[in-house]
Amino acid sequence: SQQGEEDPQALSIQEGENATMNCSYKTSINNLQWYRQNSGRGLVHLILIRSNEREKHSGRLRVTLDTSKKSSSLLITASRAADTASYFCATPDLSGSRLTFGEGTQLTVNP
Amino acid sequence: GAGVSQSPSNKVTEKGKDVELRCDPISGHTALYWYRQSLGQGLEFLIYFQGNSAPDKSGLPSDRFSAERTGGSVSTLTIQRTQQEDSAVYLCASGISGGASTDTQYFGPGTRLTVL
Repeated sequence: SQQGEEDPQALSIQEGENATMNCSYKTSINNLQWYRQNSGRGLVHLILIRSNEREKHSGRLRVTLDTSKKSSSLLITASRAADTASYFCATPDLSGSRLTFGEGTQLTVNP
Repeated sequence: GAGVSQSPSNKVTEKGKDVELRCDPISGHTALYWYRQSLGQGLEFLIYFQGNSAPDKSGLPSDRFSAERTGGSVSTLTIQRTQQEDSAVYLCASGISGGASTDTQYFGPGTRLTVL
């Protein structure tokens, strides 16, 4: 199974609401990263949280990391229609040669 | 500056034919990655190049898949004798120094491969 598993698989909200997506992973990590993908094409890096960090903010994004539960969450506040995309968490393997991605959460923000 | 570029953006081929997919990483990035994404799925790691080191090919699904990186820059992913299950979006990414534990990976727009 995937190292990173997101839930929910799909989320539909109204503009202005907050969106929360969760990610679980299985092995020890140095950091966890969140990416965004529009229309099934290239991914854009959103935020990286290191294993010794518990929370990190970037604009309207808030990421938490709980290494004891091997889980992370991504919160998008005051969502906009333009936030509609797929969101993936990714964890690097310890050799640093690859990222392992979850299957993603498809977020739809309705205007 | 320019981001990662990939060509072609779309490729339709017949089963059994060979295809070549190209990736131009960001200038100066020493790390280059190939991933594959099947419809509605997450990304599957294929291969990783770091500088002049031997590539990590452990993600290649079969010996029909190969990749090379010439001059430490452009990379070509070759799929021989394509099968329908090879249909996917192939994504390339590059990173400044390699070692995904600390590197942000910058992704290209991908090549959508359809094998008929």
